[in-house]
Amino acid sequence: SAVISQKPSRDICQRGTSLTIQCQVDSQVTMMFWYRQQPGQSLTLIATANQGSEATYESGFVIDKFPISRPNLTFSTLTVSNMSPEDSSIYLCSVGAGPLFGEAFFGQGTRLTVV
Amino acid sequence: ELKVEQNPLFLSMQEGKNYTIYCNYSTTSDRLYWYRQDPGKSLESLFVLLSNGAVKQEGRLMASLDTKARLSTLHITAAVHDLSATYFCAVNTPGAQKLVFGQGTRLTINP
Repeated sequence: SAVISQKPSRDICQRGTSLTIQCQVDSQVTMMFWYRQQPGQSLTLIATANQGSEATYESGFVIDKFPISRPNLTFSTLTVSNMSPEDSSIYLCSVGAGPLFGEAFFGQGTRLTVV
Repeated sequence: ELKVEQNPLFLSMQEGKNYTIYCNYSTTSDRLYWYRQDPGKSLESLFVLLSNGAVKQEGRLMASLDTKARLSTLHITAAVHDLSATYFCAVNTPGAQKLVFGQGTRLTINP
């Protein structure tokens, strides 16, 4: 299994500001994933963070709004830039682990409220 | 494009009853996952199903997978209040680790 630590666990931010969310894994992983869960909704993948290369963004998400860093095999950050109330969501990082990366583990999430 | 649909989206049931949540997906996938989410919490992994006919059970929950029908079920036996939560299924994009989630089923079990 993989243990994922995410911080902050929650934050309340002013519109127009940026927040950086950190994700630390207890083992080396090739890919880390960032998901967004809007209130009462399911999870949507924002991007895949690969160590040593640019993140791969899903349709509807752009690097200017959600820049991602992946400096090593155990750590990643997601920044939510120029926030608006529509960015209020839970943001979760995830990694694959286990045989053939068959398990998918999630951090505890960051609950972001933009006012 | 891979799509995952769950039904029902909302389920209110009485303790002691049995029920099933269904998860359909649109294209071939390598793995199917079931997660539980309590309010304000992250996702707790319940099951990973890897092959056709796979069946896994943990306590009052049993999950099965039919890859030919692209259908998974999560069966709840003799429900208890502690099982109240939102349940998500997810499948991976073929050959990749990233997941596509269903809409979630909000389960409420009443005493």
